[in-house]
Amino acid sequence: DADVTQTPRNRITKTGKRIMLECSQTKGHDRMYWYRQDPGLGLRLIYYSFDVKDINKGEISDGYSVSRQAQAKFSLSLESAIPNQTALYFCATSDPSRTGFAGNTGELFFGEGSRLTVL
Amino acid sequence: RKEVEQDPGPFNVPEGATVAFNCTYSNSASQSFFWYRQDCRKEPKLLMSVYSSGNEDGRFTAQLNRASQYISLLIRDSKLSDSATYLCVVNQAGTALIFGKGTTLSVSS
Repeated sequence: DADVTQTPRNRITKTGKRIMLECSQTKGHDRMYWYRQDPGLGLRLIYYSFDVKDINKGEISDGYSVSRQAQAKFSLSLESAIPNQTALYFCATSDPSRTGFAGNTGELFFGEGSRLTVL
Repeated sequence: RKEVEQDPGPFNVPEGATVAFNCTYSNSASQSFFWYRQDCRKEPKLLMSVYSSGNEDGRFTAQLNRASQYISLLIRDSKLSDSATYLCVVNQAGTALIFGKGTTLSVSS
């Protein structure tokens, strides 16, 4: 089983619908992230969480919200989906304590991605 | 100016070739640096960290020039299996990783 699991893996929805992408991890990492990837734009950070009580906006948080329900779970919501939110979404985790370098995020471990299409 | 910039390529090389990718970053406060590899339709995975003194892992060599805010990745003796997109990644203290758009490598026989 994957250490970082995303559901659903593929979703097609219509404009205006509410969508939730879920991420769960068995790595025991405190830090979790949501990125989106678009052709030609690379990976862009949406939100990140350094622990259960910590939520931070990333580069492109508008139109998205997140919930960190537990150390192992971090969900991404699109309250009212629009076509330009069509993208591949990745959840990731990290454990900076393993790096021995304060301030280093540590290696990111990604889920397999959730492909979202908004019509 | 984007925080992390890479030449998108594609780089098309024959097996056995040596190929180099470059990356520049804009924030001088950046503290740690990485190369990730992403295969088509797959998640990115860490290839190697980049240390100030330069570091090597088999056929892969990474270098960092803090004064020029420049990172490089050299691949020697390219294999077909090296075909992928290589992502330059930068970390500032207390924030999440920032990814470049990636450089695509295609190795042919």
